[in-house]
Amino acid sequence: AQSVTQLDSQVPVFEEAPVELRCNYSSSVSVYLFWYVQYPNQGLQLLLKYLSGSTLVKGINGFEAEFNKSQTSFHLRKPSVHISDTAEYFCAVSGSGYSTLTFGKGTMLLVSP
Amino acid sequence: GAGVSQSPRYKVTKRGQDVALRCDPISGHVSLYWYRQALGQGPEFLTYFNYEAQQDKSGLPNDRFSAERPEGSISTLTIQRTEQRDSAMYRCASSTNPGGSEAFFGQGTRLTVV
Repeated sequence: AQSVTQLDSQVPVFEEAPVELRCNYSSSVSVYLFWYVQYPNQGLQLLLKYLSGSTLVKGINGFEAEFNKSQTSFHLRKPSVHISDTAEYFCAVSGSGYSTLTFGKGTMLLVSP
Repeated sequence: GAGVSQSPRYKVTKRGQDVALRCDPISGHVSLYWYRQALGQGPEFLTYFNYEAQQDKSGLPNDRFSAERPEGSISTLTIQRTEQRDSAMYRCASSTNPGGSEAFFGQGTRLTVV
């Protein structure tokens, strides 16, 4: 069984400041890791994914995440946020080669001017 | 179509009624998934299909929930005798192949049982 923990339900930040959204997972098998973003009234959109290889993964909209196997973490970062980054962010895990996703509860990123 | 399409976008139904939620995946996508997302929670897996075959239905909460994908394309999630606790966002996703590393999500159907 797999699980994902997103400890922060909300992260308020000022525009142009850096941000880190935390994600920890547990799994007994090798995993794929994902970050999805949900803008209001829209579906989930994939930001980035880790399948294998380099532990630093770059995604869309300037986001990146680092896979840390020893700490079972996959934190999402952006060096400078924009108002338009205000959204809910979900970390998810699947077993490698297996399709279904286990999601965290989500973190609401609130960017203010 | 260009993306995953779900209908209706919003559904209000009375307790005890049956509802059918439709998902039209991206053309050619082999795998189709259903998730349910309660308020303040992340999506939770319900069931998935490869082509027309239901591969895993372990996430369906009880026997009032069923899903089908008879021709390997459009899928219907049916909830019989709805209860208030069934109120949630129901999300459908599709991917190119089994074990595909990217699932594309639709906008979801917001179900409210009154």
